[in-house]
Amino acid sequence: QVQLQESGPGLVKPSQTLSLTCTVSGVSISSGTYYWTWIRQPAGEGLEWIGRIFKSGTTNYNPSLKSRVTISVDTSKNQFSLKLTSVTAADTAVYYCARDGIGGSYDYWGQGTLVTVSS
Amino acid sequence: DIQMTQSPSSVSASVGDRVTITCRASQDISSWLAWYQQKPGKAPKLLIYAASSLQSGAPSRFSGSGSGTDFTLTVSSLQPEDFATYYCQQAYIFPLTFGGGTKVEIK
Repeated sequence: QVQLQESGPGLVKPSQTLSLTCTVSGVSISSGTYYWTWIRQPAGEGLEWIGRIFKSGTTNYNPSLKSRVTISVDTSKNQFSLKLTSVTAADTAVYYCARDGIGGSYDYWGQGTLVTVSS
Repeated sequence: DIQMTQSPSSVSASVGDRVTITCRASQDISSWLAWYQQKPGKAPKLLIYAASSLQSGAPSRFSGSGSGTDFTLTVSSLQPEDFATYYCQQAYIFPLTFGGGTKVEIK
């Protein structure tokens, strides 16, 4: 079955770059017709859509983060990645990767990874 | 950005109750709406897509309705495993946005 797994540092210093990778199993990014997405959730708060990528490298970003976000894909490793630059404490959150399913919904999610921005 | 407003923000209910959660979009989103269930420490789980289509594996006691700007999620008979937070999400236009959540608690 389809599984997603986030990985990356759990602690990032202010002004540095947050880097996360999502490893996909059970489906090939390169053979499918899905977009692959990053979503985050600060503790006790709601969900924020960060952006998405297609196998071709086509991306869409949340304008509120666009100047700091890059999402990339490595089809040879069946992975996609998130980079968020110039982080502050406001970027502390659980970060999820997910697959775009039918009608723009998210049918498969990773378990989430907590990233804390602190010196 | 399209604002998604859920109500109530929390509801207390008993096992067997019928529970209805509403979600209002700040502009017409047709049927581009999904509903999720999230339990503490877990990722959201898709329940409903395209406003009223039940996701494979989701219990049939969950149903969704609405189009345009007003949507509802109904749980026909609340079960112990349904106590959780529920979110709506619009998929009509970027940036995709979520409602603030509705926490369903045990009465």
